[in-house]
Amino acid sequence: AQSVAQPEDQVNVAEGNPLTVKCTYSVSGNPYLFWYVQYPNRGLQFLLKYITGDNLVKGSYGFEAEFNKSQTSFHLKKPSALVSDSALYFCAVRDIPGNTPLVFGKGTRLSVIA
Amino acid sequence: GAVVSQHPSWVICKSGTSVKIECRSLDFQATTMFWYRQFPKQSLMLMATSNEGSKATYEQGVEKDKFLINHASLTLSTLTVTSAHPEDSSFYICSARDPLAVYEQYFGPGTRLTVT
Repeated sequence: AQSVAQPEDQVNVAEGNPLTVKCTYSVSGNPYLFWYVQYPNRGLQFLLKYITGDNLVKGSYGFEAEFNKSQTSFHLKKPSALVSDSALYFCAVRDIPGNTPLVFGKGTRLSVIA
Repeated sequence: GAVVSQHPSWVICKSGTSVKIECRSLDFQATTMFWYRQFPKQSLMLMATSNEGSKATYEQGVEKDKFLINHASLTLSTLTVTSAHPEDSSFYICSARDPLAVYEQYFGPGTRLTVT
């Protein structure tokens, strides 16, 4: 069975500084990895995904994530944080395409301080 | 990307009544839809998987008689919370798969249910 761990409940960063939100995964086959962002009382917004190919994936709003197979990690990064990036971030994984659902981590709340 | 809508976006109901939440795929045909539940400050927990024209598959611990799921068409799935109680208050999010985009899963905006 697949699982996702987001070890940090909360990440605080000053505006303009780089940010990292951590994610590690466990799957039996090849991982298909996703990051989503959720603003208060809103649904999920897709940020980026890794399916295959280049380990560095670029996504929406300047975010990127690096797939590291040996460390089974898929950390989300941004070179310069904005106050508007403050939100709840979810990492998700699926190990096979098709009708299996995404499995989500518990979420990490990012707070960017001006 | 593909669009998934949910209606209503929020609903308040009295204890003991039933509430229906609709999930629609607006520009694609969704052979599979998923229903998630999210408690405050917690992650999304999968409730059930529904395939068009067949019975939903519920996750362990989810009462199928309480959370009725119908996926009668390729663009519509409904979740009915029967005899709602305050502990059913939650944020319900549906998600749909486009069979032409095998890696993608599109999410609706969610429905906030409050049972008084």
